[in-house]
Amino acid sequence: NAGVTQTPKFQVLKTGQSMTLQCAQDMNHEYMSWYRQDPGMGLRLIHYSVGAGITDQGEVPNGYNVSRSTTEDFPLRLLSAAPSQTSVYFCASSYGLGASGRNEQFFGPGTRLTVL
Amino acid sequence: KNQVEQSPQSLIILEGKNCTLQCNYTVSPFSNLRWYKQDTGRGPVSLTIMTFSENTKSNGRYTATLDADTKQSSLHITASQLSDSASYICVVSALTSYDKVIFGPGTSLSVIP
Repeated sequence: NAGVTQTPKFQVLKTGQSMTLQCAQDMNHEYMSWYRQDPGMGLRLIHYSVGAGITDQGEVPNGYNVSRSTTEDFPLRLLSAAPSQTSVYFCASSYGLGASGRNEQFFGPGTRLTVL
Repeated sequence: KNQVEQSPQSLIILEGKNCTLQCNYTVSPFSNLRWYKQDTGRGPVSLTIMTFSENTKSNGRYTATLDADTKQSSLHITASQLSDSASYICVVSALTSYDKVIFGPGTSLSVIP
């Protein structure tokens, strides 16, 4: 199993440009999520999905869109990049919720995004 | 407001020494608490998970404790190794709500020879 994969690993954008961060998992997990990690702060939830066709907003959803057409893929779209979106983005997946060990969240390697 | 605080912010220890990292939370209603290890340039990896009824959980040289009454947790690392250099993140979940998973800011640990 490749686990959770993310592309690209690094990206530089100019203000106003749009792009899509790719995330895929091969563990047949229903739950997927996108987080951003900024210096000195904990990971913050952007959007999440509890299954194909179902998405919802997290703590910081503004400026981002998601879709979940398949169980495997969960892309994150930046509509019009802003310098405030400079961050490291992590995709994660899990079998379910709750405290069971089978619900452990698995994280991808991250995408480091810089918006100039 | 649901919050997770960690201390110290950073820590430097000699190889072979022990250390303890702290986590205080105000997340309610409490479901579970996880400790993650995040190596530089990588995603977090789960170390331990504890529910309300558990007060200690071990994973090799890592031992986590939980006091649900005082809402405090600690992660004790025994006989540290250079590979333990990483950020350690405390994560608290409120019940089974996916959008109520609160990440602490992490403690950056450096183990030096």
